[in-house]
Amino acid sequence: GESVGLHLPTLSVQEGDNSIINCAYSNSASDYFIWYKQESGKGPQFIIDIRSNMDKRQGQRVTVLLNKTVKHLSLQIAATQPGDSAVYFCAEARTDKLIFGTGTRLQVFP
Amino acid sequence: SQTIHQWPATLVQPVGSPLSLECTVEGTSNPNLYWYRQAAGRGLQLLFYSVGIGQISSEVPQNLSASRPQDRQFILSSKKLLLSDSGFYLCAWEGTGNTIYFGEGSWLTVV
Repeated sequence: GESVGLHLPTLSVQEGDNSIINCAYSNSASDYFIWYKQESGKGPQFIIDIRSNMDKRQGQRVTVLLNKTVKHLSLQIAATQPGDSAVYFCAEARTDKLIFGTGTRLQVFP
Repeated sequence: SQTIHQWPATLVQPVGSPLSLECTVEGTSNPNLYWYRQAAGRGLQLLFYSVGIGQISSEVPQNLSASRPQDRQFILSSKKLLLSDSGFYLCAWEGTGNTIYFGEGSWLTVV
């Protein structure tokens, strides 16, 4: 069946480096994608979103890239900080529902 | 501004006992509301969603039910809990542009 999934379950980066978290989706008709950050024991928090009519969108230290040709989504975090340590989920909007990937844990070490 | 509250934050329940998790949203009217479950180390699974009072859609067959007695209130229930019901439950509401905003979650441990 169609699904949204993440390539890597855990990503370890050094403080100050850039992080890239990847996500693959299989429903080519999807037109809206969201990245969420979830800290331990808390609910997911909205980070950034992108619609399919865009290839790139930038926020504060974060950039989302969308490659519709290969159905791939990525989240880039610049100058990764200890506070960025969390699980990151991509999500695909389908009609009234939001379908989440499994999540990638980002670990930041000094 | 809009806020979402869910409670209790943590609970430990014996197998076979009932469950009631409550969620309320403030600062918006007639929102789409959702209940998700997150098992340990797993992704988020959509359980129920509601587009209005008394309107509930179930995504997966299970031991749980949901109700929406008021516009901004969403309740997750069970008559008899199973061990497999343990997990992290999240209430959420939908803002503009399909963006979903989550509550802080409720940890349920069934023993």
